[in-house]
Amino acid sequence: GNSVTQMEGPVTLSEEAFLTINCTYTATGYPSLFWYVQYPGEGLQLLLKATKADDKGSNKGFEATYRKETTSFHLEKGSVQVSDSAVYFCALSEEGQNFVFGPGTRLSVLP
Amino acid sequence: NAGVMQNPRHLVRRRGQEARLRCSPMKGHSHVYWYRQLPEEGLKFMVYLQKENIIDESGMPKERFSAEFPKEGPSILRIQQVVRGDSAAYFCASSPLRQGETQYFGPGTRLLVL
Repeated sequence: GNSVTQMEGPVTLSEEAFLTINCTYTATGYPSLFWYVQYPGEGLQLLLKATKADDKGSNKGFEATYRKETTSFHLEKGSVQVSDSAVYFCALSEEGQNFVFGPGTRLSVLP
Repeated sequence: NAGVMQNPRHLVRRRGQEARLRCSPMKGHSHVYWYRQLPEEGLKFMVYLQKENIIDESGMPKERFSAEFPKEGPSILRIQQVVRGDSAAYFCASSPLRQGETQYFGPGTRLLVL
């Protein structure tokens, strides 16, 4: 079955540091890939998505590129802010199937 | 354009009582999904519904849990005879046309069982 693996957290960075959160997936078909962010006490918000190989999703300074050859969708940001502190979930979906979420990676950004 | 709405945001129940969680999907969305999130854990799929139909309930506990999405009104997740282990955040998501599309999440209902 389909699955998503994310790097273990928590990740702690200083403000303005470079961020990478690794995500790899296993899928039987051609999934769409997503990053969701969950701020404390809130629901999940869609951060970005990519629907086919080599697509790059981007939003609020975050980027992720759909790499079919390495089955990866790593999340990156060049300069993190304290307000980026949250839990980040990688997810995949295929048409007609349920979403599969990774376990989440907690990011803490220190001033 | 209102997003997915859930109420109540916080719910406290004593063991043995019933909990009813409501979810109104985004306007134009006919697919609803319920997830449970235990503290410091990821999301666990519970059930997928379309209007008046349960499509996939493979993640629902066999007893005490039920869900519906009537023709009119919100989707309801019902937990009968709650136990302390039911304490969690319950999230609803919706998508417009079909399973596998982008899901949009509500703010969640945080259930505490005393």
